[in-house]
Amino acid sequence: NAGVTQTPKFRVLKTGQSMTLLCAQDMNHEYMYWYRQDPGMGLRLIHYSVGEGTTAKGEVPDGYNVSRLKKQNFLLGLESAAPSQTSVYFCASTYGRTTDTQYFGPGTRLTVL
Amino acid sequence: SQQGEEDPQALSIQEGENATMNCSYKTSINNLQWYRQNSGRGLVHLILIRSNEREKHSGRLRVTLDTSKKSSSLLITASRAADTASYFCATPPGRYNFNKFYFGSGTKLNVKP
Repeated sequence: NAGVTQTPKFRVLKTGQSMTLLCAQDMNHEYMYWYRQDPGMGLRLIHYSVGEGTTAKGEVPDGYNVSRLKKQNFLLGLESAAPSQTSVYFCASTYGRTTDTQYFGPGTRLTVL
Repeated sequence: SQQGEEDPQALSIQEGENATMNCSYKTSINNLQWYRQNSGRGLVHLILIRSNEREKHSGRLRVTLDTSKKSSSLLITASRAADTASYFCATPPGRYNFNKFYFGSGTKLNVKP
């Protein structure tokens, strides 16, 4: 039981490049989330999903897209990376309700030059 | 500003001492959760306290919740060097504002051996 995993762990992009971050969970959780963590800012919700095939915007969605084609996977895409997207990205999941305990992945450190 | 804010931002104590961190929030909540983040890692859930609870214990952790003051505190007793980490409070969203799952900016705890 691996819990929540994220790939890649580190990535350096140039401005304008695109990439996809993958989050996978093996706990059969319905809800999945993408956050970014910046120094002194805490975590901010980018997008979330309440089930396979559904996604919705969080607090800071601009510049990101997501897809949830399979229940266990939640992908975060950056179509045209900007230096302001330099951050640590965390994926999380909960079993069935938004108020449940969140299980986090180890994070992806992204630098956009 | 964000919903949950921790205080102090940083705390340095000796091993064996108690550590107290506070969290304030702004709107009504269903529950409040505390998480720990070791350097370079994802967040790990510590404890959840529901809005109808005033105090909860888990091992060396004691959490209190005062809904009239919209505040919570996390007490770690007999601290150990391994408790060195950042601690975050999180307030899950209400029924009508799902995308407002707030994490504070955290308290950075340093426990000196």
